[in-house]
Amino acid sequence: QQQVKQSPQSLIVQKGGISIINCAYENTAFDYFPWYQQFPGKGPALLIAIRPDVSEKKEGRFTISFNKSAKQFSLHIMDSQPGDSATYFCAASMNTGFQKLVFGTGTRLLVSP
Amino acid sequence: EPEVTQTPSHQVTQMGQEVILRCVPISNHLYFYWYRQILGQKVEFLVSFYNNEISEKSEIFDDQFSVERPDGSNFTLKIRSTKLEDSAMYFCASRRRGMNTEAFFGQGTRLTVV
Repeated sequence: QQQVKQSPQSLIVQKGGISIINCAYENTAFDYFPWYQQFPGKGPALLIAIRPDVSEKKEGRFTISFNKSAKQFSLHIMDSQPGDSATYFCAASMNTGFQKLVFGTGTRLLVSP
Repeated sequence: EPEVTQTPSHQVTQMGQEVILRCVPISNHLYFYWYRQILGQKVEFLVSFYNNEISEKSEIFDDQFSVERPDGSNFTLKIRSTKLEDSAMYFCASRRRGMNTEAFFGQGTRLTVV
């Protein structure tokens, strides 16, 4: 119930292509869904986040699509660049308690030049 | 830009030894967390801390672990008697008050137990 499932585990995309990472959850009490980007040797950094009252959120080249009925959400990276090569984690939290983050298993993205 | 800072960046310790990992959260933040990431795996919640007490902890956070905010700025994670399986990257995070406010993560401490 507390898990967030993430796929694919790794992804190789050509420069300029679209990277798509998918996540699914079971716990309907989750109401905040952030995506974190992590470079080697660094901590996760918030990339973009969405709440379930909207179906899509876009910030620059990054878009979250959210399907509440399917309990799925995805990250789309448009015009992927080599600098986007990193590990991406989806996460979820509830706005009760102290809002701990439940992370997905991560996707290692490599954007080839 | 304010940031969460962690020290040391890398700690090597012998099995059975005590280690203290240190964090300085962002100054106006009220919620503090420790997470860990075993190499190549996902980031896992350990504990949250608010108002000078543990607010929630995971099953990983057993009696060997403790947290403290000794002086109003530092936030520490102590592992009393380290085991090989405690080897991981430990991340401190902090968050200001409010609904779904961003959790800022430190750069992590890599703990290696030998």
